[in-house]
Amino acid sequence: SQQGEEDPQALSIQEGENATMNCSYKTSINNLQWYRQNSGRGLVHLILIRSNEREKHSGRLRVTLDTSKKSSSLLITASRAADTASYFCATDSEGAQKLVFGQGTRLTINP
Amino acid sequence: DAGITQSPRHKVTETGTPVTLRCHQTENHRYMYWYRQDPGHGLRLIHYSYGVKDTDKGEVSDGYSVSRSKTEDFLLTLESATSSQTSVYFCATGGSLNTEAFFGQGTRLTVV
Repeated sequence: SQQGEEDPQALSIQEGENATMNCSYKTSINNLQWYRQNSGRGLVHLILIRSNEREKHSGRLRVTLDTSKKSSSLLITASRAADTASYFCATDSEGAQKLVFGQGTRLTINP
Repeated sequence: DAGITQSPRHKVTETGTPVTLRCHQTENHRYMYWYRQDPGHGLRLIHYSYGVKDTDKGEVSDGYSVSRSKTEDFLLTLESATSSQTSVYFCATGGSLNTEAFFGQGTRLTVV
């Protein structure tokens, strides 16, 4: 089974609103990453948060990490139509040299 | 953009035939991964490599094998393609597990 599980699977909001996506994982991690995928394209890295960090910002993105709950959230503020994409969380796994992705959240920003 | 090239980009093959997908990188990254992406399943890890000749299975490795004889190339082979292997395959590379991964543009494989 996959390490990360995103919630919700799909999200549709109006332009200008904030979008929040959640990720839960199963095993201990060293870091958690968020990626974006535009339709039919490869994934693009957005942000990485380490297990000893609780919050991280990058532009309109805010990521939180709660290792006690094995969960993370990605907040996109002041959404734009260009933010329409699928968003994935990815984790390493302590003791395993691999990067595992969740099922993703499909975000639609309506103009 | 990171120099990751997947080939071919599209392929249609018949059931039972062997197929090899190639991932080539110019970044000298240690880690390389093969994923498949199917609707409702996100990205699932097939095999990964943490160095030349160092590979391991991911969560959906049955029916697939890999080889990495040099740093820049990671080959994924479907020994005998089945219709269930129709998918979009992505290669990714990373310098370490604590840094971002870079993705290729994907290979769309159809097994008929």
